[in-house]
Amino acid sequence: QKEVEQDPGPLSVPEGAIVSLNCTYSNSAFQYFMWYRQYSRKGPELLMYTYSSGNKEDGRFTAQVDKSSKYISLFIRDSQPSDSATYLCAMSGSSASKIIFGSGTRLSIRP
Amino acid sequence: DVKVTQSSRYLVKRTGEKVFLECVQDMDHENMFWYRQDPGLGLRLIYFSYDVKMKEKGDIPEGYSVSREKKERFSLILESASTNQTSMYLCASMSGTEEQFFGPGTRLTVL
Repeated sequence: QKEVEQDPGPLSVPEGAIVSLNCTYSNSAFQYFMWYRQYSRKGPELLMYTYSSGNKEDGRFTAQVDKSSKYISLFIRDSQPSDSATYLCAMSGSSASKIIFGSGTRLSIRP
Repeated sequence: DVKVTQSSRYLVKRTGEKVFLECVQDMDHENMFWYRQDPGLGLRLIYFSYDVKMKEKGDIPEGYSVSREKKERFSLILESASTNQTSMYLCASMSGTEEQFFGPGTRLTVL
């Protein structure tokens, strides 16, 4: 079993829809949770960063962590065609430990 | 803005060749990483370095070596390239926080 599981998609939704992206994990030591966005032919860039459980909101993006269920989510409101990308979840146990990445979900927003 | 640059965007090599992938960051980050990214497998850590002349094996170091002679530069070496090393190679750097800054990637094809 992988430490981090992520549905690869692809996921295709119409513009303006609410998008929900999810990851599950098995290591209860994970405390830092991240979402990266990767456009085609580019490197990943950090989108959201959360420590421990709870929600974090940044504009149209909300990151949610449920440590009891070992489940993290990224919600995108009012999705735009420019949100079309691959989204990778990532997590680590401490600031000194390596980061484990999910395999990524490919998202397409239809105009 | 942090900038991580990689020496080549696309590279084609023959089986058995020695291949050098170079990565340079301009933000004085201590930590640097090499990943490979394959469909369905996500990002897998090859090697990382916490300081000059220091290196640690990641999850898939076989067939690779690294060099860090200067703080800003981290090189990945394929001693004898094989077809199963055809992949996207991503370099990243990180300061004391959890955000890793990625380069644009090198798509390597080994024939």
